[in-house]
Amino acid sequence: AQSVTQPDIHITVSEGASLELRCNYSYGATPYLFWYVQSPGQGLQLLLKYFSGDTLVQGIKGFEAEFKRSQSSFNLRKPSVHWSDAAEYFCAVVGYNNNDMRFGAGTRLTVKP
Amino acid sequence: DAGVIQSPRHEVTEMGQEVTLRCKPISGHDYLFWYRQTMMRGLELLIYFNNNVPIDDSGMPEDRFSAKMPNASFSTLKIQPSEPRDSAVYFCASSFGPPPRDTQYFGPGTRLTVL
Repeated sequence: AQSVTQPDIHITVSEGASLELRCNYSYGATPYLFWYVQSPGQGLQLLLKYFSGDTLVQGIKGFEAEFKRSQSSFNLRKPSVHWSDAAEYFCAVVGYNNNDMRFGAGTRLTVKP
Repeated sequence: DAGVIQSPRHEVTEMGQEVTLRCKPISGHDYLFWYRQTMMRGLELLIYFNNNVPIDDSGMPEDRFSAKMPNASFSTLKIQPSEPRDSAVYFCASSFGPPPRDTQYFGPGTRLTVL
């Protein structure tokens, strides 16, 4: 079965600094990969997803993620973080022809002024 | 569109009581999902429906949990009897098409506390 690991529970960055959130997955083939963001008291919002094709995926709010098959990774990046990006970020994986979406434990992002 | 609507937003109950969580999906969406989020287990899929029919309930923890979707615009998740370990945030999500290709839109969640 597929699984996903987010190694960092909590990350703090200064406003304007770059950001990279790590995600590693375990699956026998190329899975479908997702990044969601959850603001306090809110549901999850999809930032971006990867199914196939170009391994660099652009999402909303200025985020991007790069699929690296050799490293089984799908790291989320943003060149310049804004205070409003403070939230919890979840990586998720679904196997091909599989409806069971598995979420990582999440990474909480704090943005310092 | 108002998005996915869940009620109540917060529920506090005592062990042994019946709890009913409600969800209204986005109009036109044929798929509805129920998730549970806890510190220990993270976010887990409990059950999902397609055209009001349960498709996969393998994530439902035990017989105390039941979910129904009597029509396209309403679903309930019921816990009877409730236990303290059921305390969690329960999310409902809906999508136009099947997972995983179609984006799931999440509601704000119901925070359940069982004392």
